[in-house]
Amino acid sequence: DTAVSQTPKYLVTQMGNDKSIKCEQNLGHDTMYWYKQDSKKFLKIMFSYNNKELIINETVPNRFSPKSPDKAHLNLHINSLELGDSAVYFCASSQDRGTGTDTQYFGPGTRLTVL
Amino acid sequence: QKEVEQDPGPLSVPEGAIVSLNCTYSNSAFQYFMWYRQYSRKGPELLMYTYSSGNKEDGRFTAQVDKSSKYISLFIRDSQPSDSATYLCAATYSGAGSYQLTFGKGTKLSVIP
Repeated sequence: DTAVSQTPKYLVTQMGNDKSIKCEQNLGHDTMYWYKQDSKKFLKIMFSYNNKELIINETVPNRFSPKSPDKAHLNLHINSLELGDSAVYFCASSQDRGTGTDTQYFGPGTRLTVL
Repeated sequence: QKEVEQDPGPLSVPEGAIVSLNCTYSNSAFQYFMWYRQYSRKGPELLMYTYSSGNKEDGRFTAQVDKSSKYISLFIRDSQPSDSATYLCAATYSGAGSYQLTFGKGTKLSVIP
């Protein structure tokens, strides 16, 4: 069974479109995250939710909106896609704060290409 | 200046070599330090973590943190081709300031048979 799953795995779309990426974890964790990994492999936190509440909201354009319908799901909706949004987006989860023994488990990533 | 700096490499070594991967950080508040391994087209997975200064060993892997010089290291002994991956160091706070990992850019390692 996949611990953290994301759909779709690949997403190719035109500039200006709106798209969503879905994430689900079956680990029973309380905290979920979205990260962006750019072409230079730099992995940066975007959002963090704990028990469906937004904990971290880094400086990302407000075209990006996370939604957590329940503890096991954290979806990412992106409006008016731009070329610079092309990247790999990773979802992750942890039981609590994701430090020390509280491992963050990452999904396989969604490779977004904006044309 | 980014909070966690890491030489992106790439680093290429022969099988059996000892590999040294390093990061520096600037934020004195960091207390947890982690190494993640990321295979091509996969998500990162936690390899090791260390709390504050000191060493931690797990099989062929040793993680070291020197808080006085803000230096993080990962050593791989008897490197294997299966160790070929990108290694990301990460740091975070403890307590109320956590939930957030700050990653280095990652070092791409190739172990040649």
